[in-house]
Amino acid sequence: AQKVTQAQTEISVVEKEDVTLDCVYETRDTTYYLFWYKQPPSGELVFLIRRNSFDEQNEISGRYSWNFQKSTSSFNFTITASQVVDSAVYFCALSEAGNTDKLIFGTGTRLQVFP
Amino acid sequence: DSGVTQTPKHLITATGQRVTLRCSPRSGDLSVYWYQQSLDQGLQFLIQYYNGEERAKGNILERFSAQQFPDLHSELNLSSLELGDSALYFCASSSGTNQPQHFGDGTRLSIL
Repeated sequence: AQKVTQAQTEISVVEKEDVTLDCVYETRDTTYYLFWYKQPPSGELVFLIRRNSFDEQNEISGRYSWNFQKSTSSFNFTITASQVVDSAVYFCALSEAGNTDKLIFGTGTRLQVFP
Repeated sequence: DSGVTQTPKHLITATGQRVTLRCSPRSGDLSVYWYQQSLDQGLQFLIQYYNGEERAKGNILERFSAQQFPDLHSELNLSSLELGDSALYFCASSSGTNQPQHFGDGTRLSIL
């Protein structure tokens, strides 16, 4: 069965600290896709990144970086030099190749960045 | 701005009533998805349409139904509403299979 686990319910940091959000997934498929979404206090869901199961290269986008490790079924997200604007709930999600590409979401990690 | 438009933004109604939530996907996107976000269930997939046809169903109650019209906009109909249906309902669209889904701002439904 497919499952996404975000064990960290809430993380609090002070501005400029680095923070890593953990994501562990379960799937029987060999082809799958992993996503991160951000939900700021205003409520919308903002797409951040998509990764397919055949591409284990880490990715960096500005202060954001992602570490995908198939050996541990993890897709962790690091924010470097966090800012108050990074305060949000972050969701990791999984979709599998097949007739439907519905997203299976984790329960989310609430990140609070204090000035 | 994701390009996905959902109306209304807020809806307050009473138990037993029926409501319709509307979604306009991004230009060119053929796939539309509906998700429900509630405190106890988190973000859950409800239903997916592709170019007017239902493609997949998730944990959608029988009291709920949806459709996608020829102009690709979609509607989610919720009937015989119960207190537990209070939630944030998101619509998303994508340009192809396993492509990023882009979400609307959601419709917050409150049942009194």
